[in-house]
Amino acid sequence: QPVLTQPPSASGTPGQRVAISCSGSSSNIGSNTVNWYQQLPGTAPKLLIYDTNQRPSGVPDRFSASKSGTSASLAISGLQSEDEADYYCAAWNDGLDGPVFGGGTKLTVL
Amino acid sequence: QVQLQESGPGLVRASETLSLTCSVSGDSMRSYYWGWIRQPPGKGLEWIGYIYYSGSTNYNPSLKSRVTISIDTSKKQYSLKLNSVTAADTAVYYCARDRGNWGLDHWGHGTLVTVSS
Repeated sequence: QPVLTQPPSASGTPGQRVAISCSGSSSNIGSNTVNWYQQLPGTAPKLLIYDTNQRPSGVPDRFSASKSGTSASLAISGLQSEDEADYYCAAWNDGLDGPVFGGGTKLTVL
Repeated sequence: QVQLQESGPGLVRASETLSLTCSVSGDSMRSYYWGWIRQPPGKGLEWIGYIYYSGSTNYNPSLKSRVTISIDTSKKQYSLKLNSVTAADTAVYYCARDRGNWGLDHWGHGTLVTVSS
């Protein structure tokens, strides 16, 4: 069972704003930064957000993220068909001294 | 731009040892952690472990008794060995540069390893 909890699915129409939640505990999200990964079909995951709300070079500013307590959220505004992918949250876990992942959210663009 | 590439057998017999190598290009291995992550078909991501360029390691407790990660910075490679494999170890195995709190910022394409009975 994944340590972080995400909804299994989310959907939206082109142009809409969609949010994906991620819930953890004081050992991971509550005390460390959150990272988000986008996995397009048949490809490797790609770092989408790091350090809770930072975008790597090349990631559009349509993607944003935040954290509050032991929960985090990824928001995608101006939804586009190419955003259809699996999205994973992750955070360092103090007890593990390594990262833990959410189970992933499959985003469908209707 | 750092690039990573996994290599190794795509088929391993049950009870034997899975061995994969990750080749790194485009940047030095110094001062970074290098990780292995796997993804069973149709499922989510599981962290296996990482190795620092100096050789120190840390493993997921759920796999610790069966995993060894080693590094050869002169060849710009690091390796994963997972022994006593079962069908539950069938997965796509990824290598990735691990920046700790800042995430896994560069990934290989992944390699599917199937465990046969």
